[in-house]
Amino acid sequence: GEQVEQRPPHLSVREGDSAFITCTYTDPNSYYFFWYKQEPGASLQLLMKVFSSTEINEGQGFTVLLNKKDKRLSLNLTAAHPGDSAAYFCAVSPYQGGRALIFGTGTTVSVSP
Amino acid sequence: GGIITQTPKFLIGQEGQKLTLKCQQNFNHDTMYWYRQDSGKGLRLIYYSITENDLQKGDLSEGYDASREKKSSFSLTVTSAQKNEMAVFLCASSITGTGGLAEQFFGPGTRLTVL
Repeated sequence: GEQVEQRPPHLSVREGDSAFITCTYTDPNSYYFFWYKQEPGASLQLLMKVFSSTEINEGQGFTVLLNKKDKRLSLNLTAAHPGDSAAYFCAVSPYQGGRALIFGTGTTVSVSP
Repeated sequence: GGIITQTPKFLIGQEGQKLTLKCQQNFNHDTMYWYRQDSGKGLRLIYYSITENDLQKGDLSEGYDASREKKSSFSLTVTSAQKNEMAVFLCASSITGTGGLAEQFFGPGTRLTVL
């Protein structure tokens, strides 16, 4: 079945710097990709969902990159601020509409002033 | 908008005890899920349900039972709590029929401690 590896497990950056997180997956039939943010003590909030047909998606303060050839999904927090301090999880779903998401192991990001 | 409620927020049990976690959603979503979150291991699927009275096993279903009593509620039972059971259990829901794109909405979690 699908395997999702997420790196790094922990990331410390200064305010204004970029924070880059990468997930690699194994199933070439994976079609939908998600990034979730989990603030301390809170539940998961969806940051962005990405189709297989699009490669770059920009959100508020972040960019998501999808490289289908390398089966790699990346999240770049541009100009990070302390409010970005949280755990981030990627998740992958197959085209066939698999009900469950396969999650990466998470990255804990700390942004210091 | 809607909300997912999980009860209790904290659950302390004894080893060998049967423990039940509850989840309610008012999104009117068809599909509900139970995940277990362990530190450093991400989220792993225990059970999901695509409609009332339906149950589908996830990768981690051994040692757990689940029940979808009605569309809005989904409960999870730890059949015999073990000390390595300590984790956060997250409930989620999503619309069915949109294939793999259906966004999952998550509840606040139940933190289980086994003494």
